[in-house]
Amino acid sequence: GQSLEQPSEVTAVEGAIVQINCTYQTSGFYGLSWYQQHDGGAPTFLSYNGLDGLEETGRFSSFLSRSDSYGYLLLQELQMKDSASYFCAVMDSNQGGKLIFGQGTELSVKP
Amino acid sequence: NAGVTQTPKFQVLKTGQSMTLQCAQDMNHEYMSWYRQDPGMGLRLIHYSVGAGITDQGEVPNGYNVSRSTTEDFPLRLLSAAPSQTSVYFCASSSMYEQYFGPGTRLTVT
Repeated sequence: GQSLEQPSEVTAVEGAIVQINCTYQTSGFYGLSWYQQHDGGAPTFLSYNGLDGLEETGRFSSFLSRSDSYGYLLLQELQMKDSASYFCAVMDSNQGGKLIFGQGTELSVKP
Repeated sequence: NAGVTQTPKFQVLKTGQSMTLQCAQDMNHEYMSWYRQDPGMGLRLIHYSVGAGITDQGEVPNGYNVSRSTTEDFPLRLLSAAPSQTSVYFCASSSMYEQYFGPGTRLTVT
């Protein structure tokens, strides 16, 4: 089976940098994704890491270490609109429809 | 290009009733999935499909059936609704690495 661990809550101030960690255990591993979900909304895709290293997309970066079964999402220059839940998700095979999600980290950005 | 559409947006059922949640996508994606999300929780995979005619179980398949007769449509059937199935249901289609989610169906079973 699969399990993913991420912190349940993180609080930071506007303009700061925050890192959300994710560790996973899975029988097969193809890649790690991150999704953002605002209250009452649908999740939206942020990033995907299939190989070790850092992927950067604007203010957001994501990192993966396959040997450590670990990844993180880094959010820079935090804005109030970044307050949301962030989910890591494991693709455990090359079947793109089978994505297993963590419980989510609720990020609160304070002024 | 509507993306992923789901109907209905809201539904109230009585215990024992059956219903079908509809999901359609117009992006010609092979992969489609159904998730449920309970308050304060992550998304749990119910069923998924890697193409027309092919479906498989996810983490929490009991009480739900799916079929995939076309690339576009992936309906989810609740056979005999139970209060434990009260949840928000999301359908998604995938271009391999990126999943596109529908707006969700909020289901209450009384």
